[in-house]
Amino acid sequence: SQQGEEDPQALSIQEGENATMNCSYKTSINNLQWYRQNSGRGLVHLILIRSNEREKHSGRLRVTLDTSKKSSSLLITASRAADTASYFCATVTSGNTPLVFGKGTRLSVIA
Amino acid sequence: DVKVTQSSRYLVKRTGEKVFLECVQDMDHENMFWYRQDPGLGLRLIYFSYDVKMKEKGDIPEGYSVSREKKERFSLILESASTNQTSMYLCASSPLRRTHTEAFFGQGTRLTVV
Repeated sequence: SQQGEEDPQALSIQEGENATMNCSYKTSINNLQWYRQNSGRGLVHLILIRSNEREKHSGRLRVTLDTSKKSSSLLITASRAADTASYFCATVTSGNTPLVFGKGTRLSVIA
Repeated sequence: DVKVTQSSRYLVKRTGEKVFLECVQDMDHENMFWYRQDPGLGLRLIYFSYDVKMKEKGDIPEGYSVSREKKERFSLILESASTNQTSMYLCASSPLRRTHTEAFFGQGTRLTVV
């Protein structure tokens, strides 16, 4: 069952611009995570935000969570060509349940 | 450096063959997962395991089985491969915690069934 839905499906920006990706989900969650996937590779964990948190930062990444709207956003500031990848949100509904992924946003950063 | 290793990056098999996809992790994680990834569908959970010799069905278990005889190894088995199982298969592991932490992924196996 698909829990998260990312928006937009694809995003193309110039190097140095900010990139914002959104994720909406359906049921209440314990935490939400963002992952990155370079073309044809495995996923790499970027950041985790718990349901009682509203914002979190990690380097050039900023994640927000609005549990009342069941949505999250990932902001990448000052993007670089190396940020070109697909980005996925994944939710954990409770305890030790498996991650449920959305369909991803494909980000292209043009040098 | 933590590692999840999948036995093959690319695999080509014939319809009807029995296919084994192997995944090994060196982090002593309790949880292991198999996902498949298809364009436009994202990642879908096939099977997962919280401990040795235990398994749980995910969202799309039909046509697959799994084996976890040792803590570090989680195998995905396609009993009789079909062309609609052509996909990217991703293995992941995570530690058992009261609440879920990040998952670590292998590099993926791109399986083509002809």
